Amino acid sequence: DTEVTQTPKHLVMGMTNKKSLKCEQHMGHRAMYWYKQKAKKPPELMFVYSYEKLSINESVPSRFSPECPNSSLLNLHLHALQPEDSALYLCASSLPYSNQPQHFGDGTRLSIL
Amino acid sequence: AQTVTQSQPEMSVQEAETVTLSCTYDTSESDYYLFWYKQPPSRQMILVIRQEAYKQQNATENRFSVNFQKAAKSFSLKISDSQLGDAAMYFCAYRSAISGAGSYQLTFGKGTKLSVIP
Repeated sequence: DTEVTQTPKHLVMGMTNKKSLKCEQHMGHRAMYWYKQKAKKPPELMFVYSYEKLSINESVPSRFSPECPNSSLLNLHLHALQPEDSALYLCASSLPYSNQPQHFGDGTRLSIL
Repeated sequence: AQTVTQSQPEMSVQEAETVTLSCTYDTSESDYYLFWYKQPPSRQMILVIRQEAYKQQNATENRFSVNFQKAAKSFSLKISDSQLGDAAMYFCAYRSAISGAGSYQLTFGKGTKLSVIP
């Protein structure tokens, strides 16, 4: 069982819809991450939160809006997405500033119609 | 900027045999961490093994071991007694040990798809 829980597992949405992806961890990690992964490619970092503050934004389009309401929860709000945004979205968490690895969730498979 | 190269897009191994996956990296830093992650079709990225650059001893985790050659900037993964459940995409990853934004970022290689033949 994964210690990082992502919901939903699958999401199909139209380009005009608004939806949110959710990620939750209870390992006491204070760094949380969003990655985008296209088929047969490595994950690409999108956002990093450290102590609930946005630390890194890898020039992600504004149609993706991250939110970290508390130390256990990370959301990714989606609005007006494009077909090329269809991908696997992975959440991860870790202890910040340490040699501890990132722990990944199972991901949300997102399809944009 | 750091780069990670996995030169073998696909590999195959007979069940119970040993296979080695290659990874090289480029960095100007002296302190860093290296990881191997496994991603089966179930999608979750699973940590296989990690190595701290300041440690000369190669890391081992049960059937998984690494050959870390710091001077050559090489970090290969050896899987012994391969099992059907080892079939997956394997990613080599680098992370800086320097405090700051860089310490959060994982630089991944392109991955090696491992097939295990019964």
